[in-house]
Amino acid sequence: SQKIEQNSEALNIQEGKTATLTCNYTNYSPAYLQWYRQDPGRGPVFLLLIRENEKEKRKERLKVTFDTTLKQSLFHITASQPADSATYLCALPGSSNTGKLIFGQGTTLQVKP
Amino acid sequence: DAGVIQSPRHEVTEMGQEVTLRCKPISGHNSLFWYRQTMMRGLELLIYFNNNVPIDDSGMPEDRFSAKMPNASFSTLKIQPSEPRDSAVYFCASTELDTIYFGEGSWLTVV
Repeated sequence: SQKIEQNSEALNIQEGKTATLTCNYTNYSPAYLQWYRQDPGRGPVFLLLIRENEKEKRKERLKVTFDTTLKQSLFHITASQPADSATYLCALPGSSNTGKLIFGQGTTLQVKP
Repeated sequence: DAGVIQSPRHEVTEMGQEVTLRCKPISGHNSLFWYRQTMMRGLELLIYFNNNVPIDDSGMPEDRFSAKMPNASFSTLKIQPSEPRDSAVYFCASTELDTIYFGEGSWLTVV
């Protein structure tokens, strides 16, 4: 069955450093992959979408890569700030192509000043 | 736009009671999702509607759960009877193209 794995352990980094989060998937050939941010007590918020024919995508301090051979996406936040502290979720479309998204468990990022 | 609107934000109920969660999707969005989030299982898709029609309800845990979308601007998720293991945050979301917009969630506690 389809499986999405994100680091369950929290990632703690110092302000100003680059945070790198990983999303691995198996039994999947998704047409695209998405990243969401979730703050405590709030719903997830869409950040970026990267398609299978794109190797890399950038938005301000965010960068996402998508390696369909490794079945992995990396999510980078450069010049990290304490305000970047949140849980980050990756999501992939269900294989039945019904439009639904399946989410990973998320990785919590803590940026210390 | 006000975004996806959910009610109630918080609900505490006794085991065996009926719970109804409500959702107003973003105007113009054709698809609506109900997700459930717990620490143990993360974010799970319960049911998905497209143009008010249920497309995929394979995530609905059991017959105690039901969902309706009588029109494009309103959906309900009902649990009857509720059990303590139903305690979770229930999110409604609607989509524009490939992007999902989530509501703030309904925090349900069944005691």
